[in-house]
Amino acid sequence: KAGVTQTPRYLIKTRGQQVTLSCSPISGHRSVSWYQQTPGQGLQFLFEYFSETQRNKGNFPGRFSGRQFSNSRSEMNVSTLELGDSALYLCASSPDALNEQFFGPGTRLTVL
Amino acid sequence: AQSVTQLDSQVPVFEEAPVELRCNYSSSVSVYLFWYVQYPNQGLQLLLKYLSGSTLVKGINGFEAEFNKSQTSFHLRKPSVHISDTAEYFCAVEPYNNNDMRFGAGTRLTVKP
Repeated sequence: KAGVTQTPRYLIKTRGQQVTLSCSPISGHRSVSWYQQTPGQGLQFLFEYFSETQRNKGNFPGRFSGRQFSNSRSEMNVSTLELGDSALYLCASSPDALNEQFFGPGTRLTVL
Repeated sequence: AQSVTQLDSQVPVFEEAPVELRCNYSSSVSVYLFWYVQYPNQGLQLLLKYLSGSTLVKGINGFEAEFNKSQTSFHLRKPSVHISDTAEYFCAVEPYNNNDMRFGAGTRLTVKP
């Protein structure tokens, strides 16, 4: 079974731009969660989608949004990028809320 | 809400020595407990998890962890480390009913020859 894939792996943007990151979960997994990893704040939960609905949300501003499609693929969007948004964004999938999460390799976003 | 404290930010050890990475947590609800490892420029890989049952959990790569409910701890141990164990290790908790996983700050394990 293929693992969680994330595209692109690396991205460079400038302040004020917006960006969309993509995550393809393991086949059959309906839950997709997003995390932000930075040296200063560590790993922080952004949000979780299950069957195309946002089920949980972390403490991030409204500039961070996401969605999930009927095939469980998920996208995360960040608008009006700030320097502090530079981070590794990790996606994780699981069959449902009661199972372990499998992580993708991440997308490294650099905001200049 | 849940929180996780990893008591050591860096742990240097020599090859073939034993190691313990410490993790304490607090939560107002029942949680599952996890240890993940992250190698440079990679995502997180699950080492082991505690869901219920025996408090001693064995994982991959020779790691094990013991859940101590009274001390709210979940320390990770390995009796003999290898150079290849050099990585960042994260302790995490997750409530029973959702995927809002909370991580500790991480422990950088460096194994020296």
